[in-house]
Amino acid sequence: EIVMTQSPATLSVSPGERATLSCRASQSVSSNLAWYQQKPGQAPRLLIYGASTRATGIPARFSGSGSGTEFTLTISSLQSEDFAVYYCQQYNNWPPNTFGGGTKVEIK
Amino acid sequence: EVQLVQSGAEVKKPGESLKISCKGSGYSFTSYWIGWVRQMPGKGLEWMGIIYPGDSDTRYSPSFQGQVTISADKSISTAYLQWSSLKASDTAMYYCARRFGIAARRAPFDYWGQGTLVTVSS
Repeated sequence: EIVMTQSPATLSVSPGERATLSCRASQSVSSNLAWYQQKPGQAPRLLIYGASTRATGIPARFSGSGSGTEFTLTISSLQSEDFAVYYCQQYNNWPPNTFGGGTKVEIK
Repeated sequence: EVQLVQSGAEVKKPGESLKISCKGSGYSFTSYWIGWVRQMPGKGLEWMGIIYPGDSDTRYSPSFQGQVTISADKSISTAYLQWSSLKASDTAMYYCARRFGIAARRAPFDYWGQGTLVTVSS
């Protein structure tokens, strides 16, 4: 089973600033990596797939990069609605398609 | 419009059985994998298992193999997650989600249900 490790666990950022979230896989997942956003009381929402492709309707301030074992989600200028928990997920090997433990982006 | 609508919240006692549902609409239900994801209170997402309703091919995470059963009734476009004997540790929110892409074997989840809260308490 591939283990996904996200860092940091919590990221404190001021509105308008850039946020950089990291995700590491225990073995290569190629570019088969997705990012999700989850707000309190809501289901997760797909942001990025294929490591760098934005899902339908996702604003351009969200970008993903990386391949193999190291991945990054960048939010270029944080808006109030972006404060949430972010999860990465590998879908290269299954079962299971493992999730990372999440990064909470909070207001500084 | 693609929708996954899950059954309502459940309160059960340890040892009881339970079957929750996820009804798909707005797409060809038999052509997309449907997965189940657990989220325990205040915790992260855990991939439980997945089913392809077209032929009922089902795969489980080793962590959940033997603990739950995933099934689907394609005649009513509904997937199920069931327990034969609940434990207090099964208390969680459970989400169903559709795998992106027709019959895709390597894809993320693009549509999610609203979640079903299962509470197991004596």
